[in-house]
Amino acid sequence: EAGVAQSPRYKIIEKRQSVAFWCNPISGHATLYWYQQILGQGPKLLIQFQNNGVVDDSQLPKDRFSAERLKGVDSTLKIQPAKLEDSAVYLCASSFRTGNTEAFFGQGTRLTVV
Amino acid sequence: GNSVTQMEGPVTLSEEAFLTINCTYTATGYPSLFWYVQYPGEGLQLLLKATKADDKGSNKGFEATYRKETTSFHLEKGSVQVSDSAVYFCALTITGGGNKLTFGTGTQLKVEL
Repeated sequence: EAGVAQSPRYKIIEKRQSVAFWCNPISGHATLYWYQQILGQGPKLLIQFQNNGVVDDSQLPKDRFSAERLKGVDSTLKIQPAKLEDSAVYLCASSFRTGNTEAFFGQGTRLTVV
Repeated sequence: GNSVTQMEGPVTLSEEAFLTINCTYTATGYPSLFWYVQYPGEGLQLLLKATKADDKGSNKGFEATYRKETTSFHLEKGSVQVSDSAVYFCALTITGGGNKLTFGTGTQLKVEL
């Protein structure tokens, strides 16, 4: 089966610009996650969707980050405006359902803000 | 809150050496424990998991035992290979907590010939 697809793989932008990342989860997976992985740290959950509803966005900086999952399939994560500290790898993951099930990760998008 | 602490890397070993990567946790509820691996240029992959105390997860020669009394989930392998070079992440989820993963900072393993 196809894995979690993310694009782009790499992105370099200047601070105060905006950027968007795209994720296509594994077919049939109801739950989708966005994690932020800063260099030298473990991934941190930004937002979790169950179908097209938000389950947890408690660690999403809502003044600049937004995410949507229209129709409960693909998702986009946007940053506007970007700051230097947003430089990180943004990982998308999906699982069959919310609960004790394995999460499958995409390769991530590496964002560099200069 | 929930947290995971891993030993710092990088860990450098010769091929066929014994590997231990320490992981301890704190959890507000009843956790399930995981080890994820990230090979160079690839995404995170689940290596093994354990969902209750005294369970042993194992895969590809790696194993880890869920020790509730010491709140630990140390990763071990009896004989590492160059192909095991990667970053290893210990993580937990809380039962009923929506499958949210809390990760440690990762431990880089380098295996040399």
